[in-house]
Amino acid sequence: KNEVEQSPQNLTAQEGEFITINCSYSVGISALHWLQQHPGGGIVSLFMLSSGKKKHGRLIATINIQEKHSSLHITASHPRDSAVYICAVYIPGNQFYFGTGTSLTVIP
Amino acid sequence: NAGVTQTPKFQVLKTGQSMTLQCAQDMNHEYMSWYRQDPGMGLRLIHYSVGAGITDQGEVPNGYNVSRSTTEDFPLRLLSAAPSQTSVYFCASSPGHPNQPQHFGDGTRLSIL
Repeated sequence: KNEVEQSPQNLTAQEGEFITINCSYSVGISALHWLQQHPGGGIVSLFMLSSGKKKHGRLIATINIQEKHSSLHITASHPRDSAVYICAVYIPGNQFYFGTGTSLTVIP
Repeated sequence: NAGVTQTPKFQVLKTGQSMTLQCAQDMNHEYMSWYRQDPGMGLRLIHYSVGAGITDQGEVPNGYNVSRSTTEDFPLRLLSAAPSQTSVYFCASSPGHPNQPQHFGDGTRLSIL
């Protein structure tokens, strides 16, 4: 079973394009996290959401609790945004479940 | 501020050997966890701890032991390594309640021959 589904699995964009990555989940959650994993392997937390929308620089994350869906948007994409973006949900009971990630490549 | 430090970064073991992956954090975080990352699969929780002296199993605990004698350290022990444990292992920590942004270590790439 897979509590978290991400789409697309792979994404290639031209520099400057607007990018959307989607995450759907199947169970009740307390919050949803977006993570970024760089080609070197390090993982960084981008956002934690329990409702609504958050913005940090060119990154915007939204969540619709009723529809069990979240999106991560990148405006004016840049080659340095190339990374794997991972959606994770926290299910009460101290368990995190992670999506398989979306591999983004931004071409200059 | 070092954050979360994992050692070693790389390790090759033979089947049946034992070893300990080290994880230390200097942020006084209560919650610590170990994940493994395999190709085509999301990160999966192995074990976690909500504070010193308290540990619990995650999604894939078999073959691994943990202990939490101090707030700072959360080592992961492989008792008898198996090829199925070849993976990249990440340690993470977060303050207080686990449902807060996690800080990840750089990972340990482990190969079992």
